[in-house]
Amino acid sequence: QKEVEQNSGPLSVPEGAIASLNCTYSDRGSQSFFWYRQYSGKSPELIMFIYSNGDKEDGRFTAQLNKASQYVSLLIRDSQPSDSATYLCAVEDSNYQLIWGAGTKLIIKP
Amino acid sequence: GAGVSQTPSNKVTEKGKYVELRCDPISGHTALYWYRQSLGQGPEFLIYFQGTGAADDSGLPNDRFFAVRPEGSVSTLKIQRTERGDSAVYLCASSSGGPYNEQFFGPGTRLTVL
Repeated sequence: QKEVEQNSGPLSVPEGAIASLNCTYSDRGSQSFFWYRQYSGKSPELIMFIYSNGDKEDGRFTAQLNKASQYVSLLIRDSQPSDSATYLCAVEDSNYQLIWGAGTKLIIKP
Repeated sequence: GAGVSQTPSNKVTEKGKYVELRCDPISGHTALYWYRQSLGQGPEFLIYFQGTGAADDSGLPNDRFFAVRPEGSVSTLKIQRTERGDSAVYLCASSSGGPYNEQFFGPGTRLTVL
């Protein structure tokens, strides 16, 4: 059974701080990893994807991948109240399907 | 350009009825996915089309669920004899079919079976 695990939260972070969201996965053959943001009542929105070990930065967002530890994370710098949402981790398996975590609810406190 | 669109945005039906949900993907995207999502859960895969054919329908829960994509663009998800447990948000996503499988979602259809 291929699994993607995320802490459901809520994760509460003060405005301006760094929010760190974590995800582990079970399928060692996974090659591509995705972070989606989902506001309440809305559909998931792609933030970033990563496929190489190490860090990938895009504005205030940094995705980190460690395939040996089967671990992917998302850092949000200078957190804003508008970053409050549920963050979904998705991992592509060998059949080109995305296996989804249940999401971590992030709350940025002003 | 236009994103993925889905109609209707909301559908309320009675147990036992038939429903059709429509998805119009991003122009040029060859891959189309149907998911459903319940509160507090990640999307649950239903079916994946590459072009006109269903490349993977392993997520369809039973034979009451069926989906088509006859011309390789718009897709329709069909649910027969709806049950209360079918109530969920049905999401459609499309992808260009490139190497990294970035999927872009439509706004979803909220299905309520009374």
